[in-house]
Amino acid sequence: DARVTQTPRHKVTEMGQEVTMRCQPILGHNTVFWYRQTMMQGLELLAYFRNRAPLDDSGMPKDRFSAEMPDATLATLKIQPSEPRDSAVYFCASGDWTGYSYEQYFGPGTRLTVT
Amino acid sequence: QKEVEQNSGPLSVPEGAIASLNCTYSDRGSQSFFWYRQYSGKSPELIMSIYSNGDKEDGRFTAQLNKASQYVSLLIRDSQPSDSATYLCAVVTGGGNKLTFGTGTQLKVEL
Repeated sequence: DARVTQTPRHKVTEMGQEVTMRCQPILGHNTVFWYRQTMMQGLELLAYFRNRAPLDDSGMPKDRFSAEMPDATLATLKIQPSEPRDSAVYFCASGDWTGYSYEQYFGPGTRLTVT
Repeated sequence: QKEVEQNSGPLSVPEGAIASLNCTYSDRGSQSFFWYRQYSGKSPELIMSIYSNGDKEDGRFTAQLNKASQYVSLLIRDSQPSDSATYLCAVVTGGGNKLTFGTGTQLKVEL
């Protein structure tokens, strides 16, 4: 059963602390997307990678957020320092090329609360 | 104008009825369109993709696309209480691989 995994599922931290979220894409998918979902803003694309190379991170606050893909089975999203406004659910999605575009399959998400 | 617009609902339909969910988009160059279902507290789940004008059917779901009108819809036949969820319309925009989501329509299927 191929699915995207994310860890941790829940994270509560204090303002100023570093947060690292991890994602394992579906084996064979070469594209990984990071999203953030809040009630106010909905689902927003933060960054995405193809073949481990960053292609677009324009949705990500550059001063505190960073995304990497150290190998084909691991993508990371880091926030340093974290702020209360970063509280959201962070999703990773794994992309399967259809010939037209990527069909994206979402992981279960990391629910982040920054106090 | 938002890139992808949906009525937030809630849309209430009786069990067994057809639910019709609508979405409009602003990028005339968009070629790929998706519908996701999201249950409360869960992640979005891909249920349909459509790339050509017309209808595409998959079980009880039918996606309809009209590129001239920049309109995509999802019909759910024989609606069940388990279909109660938020339905997100997503469109590939900007000529690349960026997927832009609407804010979603909440569907409630009532017994």
